[in-house]
Amino acid sequence: KNQVEQSPQSLIILEGKNCTLQCNYTVSPFSNLRWYKQDTGRGPVSLTIMTFSENTKSNGRYTATLDADTKQSSLHITASQLSDSASYICVVSAYDSGGYQKVTFGTGTKLQVIP
Amino acid sequence: DTAVSQTPKYLVTQMGNDKSIKCEQNLGHDTMYWYKQDSKKFLKIMFSYNNKELIINETVPNRFSPKSPDKAHLNLHINSLELGDSAVYFCASSPWAGDYEQYFGPGTRLTVT
Repeated sequence: KNQVEQSPQSLIILEGKNCTLQCNYTVSPFSNLRWYKQDTGRGPVSLTIMTFSENTKSNGRYTATLDADTKQSSLHITASQLSDSASYICVVSAYDSGGYQKVTFGTGTKLQVIP
Repeated sequence: DTAVSQTPKYLVTQMGNDKSIKCEQNLGHDTMYWYKQDSKKFLKIMFSYNNKELIINETVPNRFSPKSPDKAHLNLHINSLELGDSAVYFCASSPWAGDYEQYFGPGTRLTVT
């Protein structure tokens, strides 16, 4: 069964500090992995997307890594800002027999950045 | 110029009623999706349409019926609403049902009383 697990469930950090969020998955056959940011009351917004051959991808202060061998990904946030407070969701896609992608969402990590 | 829009944003209704949620995307994408986000914030795919054709239909009660009049619209009709249907429903679209990111709408918070 395809699963995506994220840790920690929640995290509180001081403004300006760095943090790293983890994602472990058992999705197969792997297609790609995305990190989304979801602000309260809003839809998720894509931060990064990585395919099997990519092991790091940056988007401003966000850097995602992927280890396809161990089926792990991390999202590193540098110099956190108050606006980084949100839920961060790891999403892993696999192709089904019809060639379409099936996505599995993680349960998310709720990050709170405090002044 | 909202990319993916949903109406209504909030919907409060009683058990047993029938309601619809509308979704429109102006991105020219071929694929649209409906997701349900429960109280634990877990997003689960319900349906996916590619060029008006149903391609993903997860184990969703048949009280839920998606309708795609054209590839820019994917509406969700729910019959005989139940308390457990209370959730936030997100519509999303992607260029194609392949390795492309999905663009999400703002969500519709459905409360069944």
